Amino acid sequence: DSGVTQTPKHLITATGQRVTLRCSPRSGDLSVYWYQQSLDQGLQFLIQYYNGEERAKGNILERFSAQQFPDLHSELNLSSLELGDSALYFCASSAGSDSGNTIYFGEGSWLTVV
Amino acid sequence: DQQVKQNSPSLSVQEGRISILNCDYTNSMFDYFLWYKKYPAEGPTFLISISSIKDKNEDGRFTVFLNKSAKHLSLHIVPSQPGDSAVYFCAATAGAQKLVFGQGTRLTINP
Repeated sequence: DSGVTQTPKHLITATGQRVTLRCSPRSGDLSVYWYQQSLDQGLQFLIQYYNGEERAKGNILERFSAQQFPDLHSELNLSSLELGDSALYFCASSAGSDSGNTIYFGEGSWLTVV
Repeated sequence: DQQVKQNSPSLSVQEGRISILNCDYTNSMFDYFLWYKKYPAEGPTFLISISSIKDKNEDGRFTVFLNKSAKHLSLHIVPSQPGDSAVYFCAATAGAQKLVFGQGTRLTINP
């Protein structure tokens, strides 16, 4: 158990819909990251938050957004869903924001868009 | 642009022998490297890491070697055990902490 909690574990929704994935970081961790894993793309970095503020941005679509709340939990919002958005979405956390802080991953949220 | 590359999609090793997983990178700004192990439908699990100021880090059966001039790192598992069968991801980071992952290598340990 990494200490990173993600909900829901599985989600099936229709194209055009909007979903929210939730992440609780490990106790004391200030950084939260979101990654997408699809069959053909491997693990792709989406976005990082540190202590409530956006820290780094990766290959995140404009239809996607995220935020980190004062209690440090984070949500990833996916809207206008397309079939290609079906993937496993991972949240991860680390204590700080510098290299040298190990990043720990949650179990992931399976999103299936039909 | 694939900044972190794992050129071997799969590797089979006999139980008890050494497993060597390789990773190449292109970004000279990377200063911290990590290896993750992943079982199907589970999140990546941290294995071992190395800072760019070192060339070797050892933790039990796992050793990571870093060759900065060649922009290459490798993970050695000795001795290999059946429970080591998984997908292994190499990852790198440069300051801002976002991990850049390789495509993964599926390691199969044969009895």
